[in-house]
Amino acid sequence: NFVLTQPHSVSASPGKTVTISCARSSGSIANNFVQWYQQRPDSSPTTVIYEDDRRPSGVPERFSGSIDSSSNSASLTISGLKTEDEADYYCQSYDSIVVFGGGTKLTVL
Amino acid sequence: QITLKESGPTLVKPTQTLTLTCTFSGFSLASSGVGVGWIRQPPGKALEWLALIYWDDDVRYSPSLRNRLTITKDISKNQVVLSVTNVDPVDSGRYFCAHKDVTSVSNFDYWGQGTLVTVSS
Repeated sequence: NFVLTQPHSVSASPGKTVTISCARSSGSIANNFVQWYQQRPDSSPTTVIYEDDRRPSGVPERFSGSIDSSSNSASLTISGLKTEDEADYYCQSYDSIVVFGGGTKLTVL
Repeated sequence: QITLKESGPTLVKPTQTLTLTCTFSGFSLASSGVGVGWIRQPPGKALEWLALIYWDDDVRYSPSLRNRLTITKDISKNQVVLSVTNVDPVDSGRYFCAHKDVTSVSNFDYWGQGTLVTVSS
């Protein structure tokens, strides 16, 4: 089974762009879709990106997802940062079992 | 509208079995492609996937907890039950159940609010 590794924390100022990475330890990142969840304090997670780069209805276009086979990783990019984007973000994938990354705390300074 | 709600004991003693129930509405676990998963989160820590059950009775477990977990479904009651045997304080945390998007392989598109479990003597 594989592991998804995320940075522990990232920070950026309002209006800026931030990218959160999710590196897959073994097997190709392109083999299985990646999801990204946002979890605000004391709330349940919600999907912001599914199937690598698709946005659920209601999620702003400021959120985008991508995968990079050369680095075997997925990325979540949030542009035009708002204070309300401050949250924990988790990547997740599936290869007969579900795997979550360790989560990244986004601070909007 | 899809909703899920977890229920179960808030306090469990070490070595006991923890049994949690997920009661849902807005979908049927008899429908093709449907799945319900359990995910937990220790206080201040990351999400950890535990188990997933599909409409066709296929079940998947976290490899690290496989020998302690059992997931079952009751279609008539719209419930999914998770049992965790021989609990330890490290099993404390919030336990979520979530609906797997029918059109996706593994996207959990609806989550319950979670139920907080403490393992302590």
